[in-house]
Amino acid sequence: QQQVKQSPQSLIVQKGGISIINCAYENTAFDYFPWYQQFPGKGPALLIAIRPDVSEKKEGRFTISFNKSAKQFSLHIMDSQPGDSATYFCAASMNTGFQKLVFGTGTRLLVSP
Amino acid sequence: DSGVTQTPKHLITATGQRVTLRCSPRSGDLSVYWYQQSLDQGLQFLIQYYNGEERAKGNILERFSAQQFPDLHSELNLSSLELGDSALYFCASSVYRSGELFFGEGSRLTVL
Repeated sequence: QQQVKQSPQSLIVQKGGISIINCAYENTAFDYFPWYQQFPGKGPALLIAIRPDVSEKKEGRFTISFNKSAKQFSLHIMDSQPGDSATYFCAASMNTGFQKLVFGTGTRLLVSP
Repeated sequence: DSGVTQTPKHLITATGQRVTLRCSPRSGDLSVYWYQQSLDQGLQFLIQYYNGEERAKGNILERFSAQQFPDLHSELNLSSLELGDSALYFCASSVYRSGELFFGEGSRLTVL
């Protein structure tokens, strides 16, 4: 129940295309769903996050879509750029007491020029 | 720069040895988290401290231990090292009950 399942494991997208990464969870107590971006040799960094009271959140070219009934959420990267090439992790946590983020297994995105 | 400092960046050691990884959180952050990242397992939560006290424990092996000191820096001790312990170890910090974790650049441990 603590798992977050992420797919695909890797993704190749042409420059200008849309990158879509999907995550699913089981624990309905999760109420915070962030996406982290990690470049080689660096630690993960928060990209965008959503709480379950909204179905979509957009920040620039990055959008989270959230489906509470299906217990799924996804990251869409519009107009993907080579600089977006990185590993993306979805995560989830319960905002009760001390936060512990549970991460998905990561998606390695390559945006080809 | 996240403001979280981890040392050493790289460490190569032999099986059976013991190592200590150090983390300095962002100024003002009281919570420190340790995560292990390996190729096939993603980011695995190990342990969390808040203001010197252990608050949450994940898949941390008994051979591993951690602590957070009064100055809020944290150390992760890994003993009786095995080949399978080779991984990137990340420290992260956060403001209490904030959703955002700030990660350091990690300590890459190689056990030969």
